[in-house]
Amino acid sequence: QKEVEQNSGPLSVPEGAIASLNCTYSDRVSQSFFWYRQYSGKSPELIMSIYSNGDKEDGRFTAQLNKASQYVSLLIRDSQPSDSATYLCAANSGGGADGLTFGKGTHLIIQP
Amino acid sequence: DTAVSQTPKYLVTQMGNDKSIKCEQNLGHDTMYWYKQDSKKFLKIMFSYNNKELIINETVPNRFSPKSPDKAHLNLHINSLELGDSAVYFCASSQGGSQYFGPGTRLLVL
Repeated sequence: QKEVEQNSGPLSVPEGAIASLNCTYSDRVSQSFFWYRQYSGKSPELIMSIYSNGDKEDGRFTAQLNKASQYVSLLIRDSQPSDSATYLCAANSGGGADGLTFGKGTHLIIQP
Repeated sequence: DTAVSQTPKYLVTQMGNDKSIKCEQNLGHDTMYWYKQDSKKFLKIMFSYNNKELIINETVPNRFSPKSPDKAHLNLHINSLELGDSAVYFCASSQGGSQYFGPGTRLLVL
């Protein structure tokens, strides 16, 4: 059974600090990993995708993947109050038509 | 231009009724999906359609039937609605990689 695990939080971070969100996955076949941001009452919005071991940076966001440890993380630098949301980690076994397996999400609160 | 759109946005209905949710994407993607997000906010795949063919069908009751008239549209028909069907249903599309979600349809079964 494919599973993606996240700490549900809430994770509280002061404005301007680095927020660190973590995720582990059970299916070693998983090849693609995604971070989505979901505001309350809204749909998931894609923030980052990562396919290879290492770091991938996009603006204030850095995704990190370690396939040996089956671990994915998202760092948000210079956290802003607008970053307060639920962050969903998702894994895909790599097939083009595969659905994503989502974690239950981490609720992030950025304190002004 | 809305990339992935769904109608209706809200749906309130009685147990036992039949209802449909429509989804359209203008991204030119080959694959479309239906996800269900329950009251605990857990998002789970229901169906995937690739070029109008059903690719996966997770353990979803056969009261749920996806229909794709063309690769830009994926509709979800639900028969004999039950209280437990109350949730937010999201449509998504992809082209072999990242998936993009529609705004969701909030279904409440009374």
